[in-house]
Amino acid sequence: GQQVMQIPQYQHVQEGEDFTTYCNSSTTLSNIQWYKQRPGGHPVFLIQLVKSGEVKKQKRLTFQFGEAKKNSSLHITATQTTDVGTYFCAGLLTRPQVNNNDMRFGAGTRLTVKP
Amino acid sequence: DAMVIQNPRYQVTQFGKPVTLSCSQTLNHNVMYWYQQKSSQAPKLLFHYYDKDFNNEADTPDNFQSRRPNTSFCFLDIRSPGLGDAAMYLCATSRDRRGAPYFGPGTRLLVL
Repeated sequence: GQQVMQIPQYQHVQEGEDFTTYCNSSTTLSNIQWYKQRPGGHPVFLIQLVKSGEVKKQKRLTFQFGEAKKNSSLHITATQTTDVGTYFCAGLLTRPQVNNNDMRFGAGTRLTVKP
Repeated sequence: DAMVIQNPRYQVTQFGKPVTLSCSQTLNHNVMYWYQQKSSQAPKLLFHYYDKDFNNEADTPDNFQSRRPNTSFCFLDIRSPGLGDAAMYLCATSRDRRGAPYFGPGTRLLVL
């Protein structure tokens, strides 16, 4: 079925290093959401991207939505120990049926940060 | 503050004993979702309500059912929990089908 692929599955960085996670869809997405889930916690909404080529920033986090609306990335500059957690993307597929829920989660990227 | 509330936060049940998890929201969102999340996995959608319209995912077991008596509340009923149903159950809401789901804190279910 239609999926959203997310890589890498794991990323271990030294504090201060940058981090990027990528999501790719085989089909065009209406929008894409990014979430952060701390160990033992629940997914916390970070941002929604809707427009082709959109770039949004939240402090050290930069989110991009590809021109074809099939891929997206989350980049963290100068990671801190507070960035530890699993980052999920969730893409809304473009489909004609209105009653289905067509949001597809990526598998997540688990980030660990060494102080 | 507007939010998604789940009770209880932890639930222990016995194999085969029915259990109900509850969710409420003060966001006045039209859509409510129930997700199941197992360790180191992404949330898996079980079903969702768009207003009163119930939508079941094709691979959601019959053992799982849901009720939404009004806009604010939604319940997840597990009729005969098995050991494989032990997981975190996440309720989420969104303004509409295109809106981003906002998750509650979850209920962690343990089946003995």
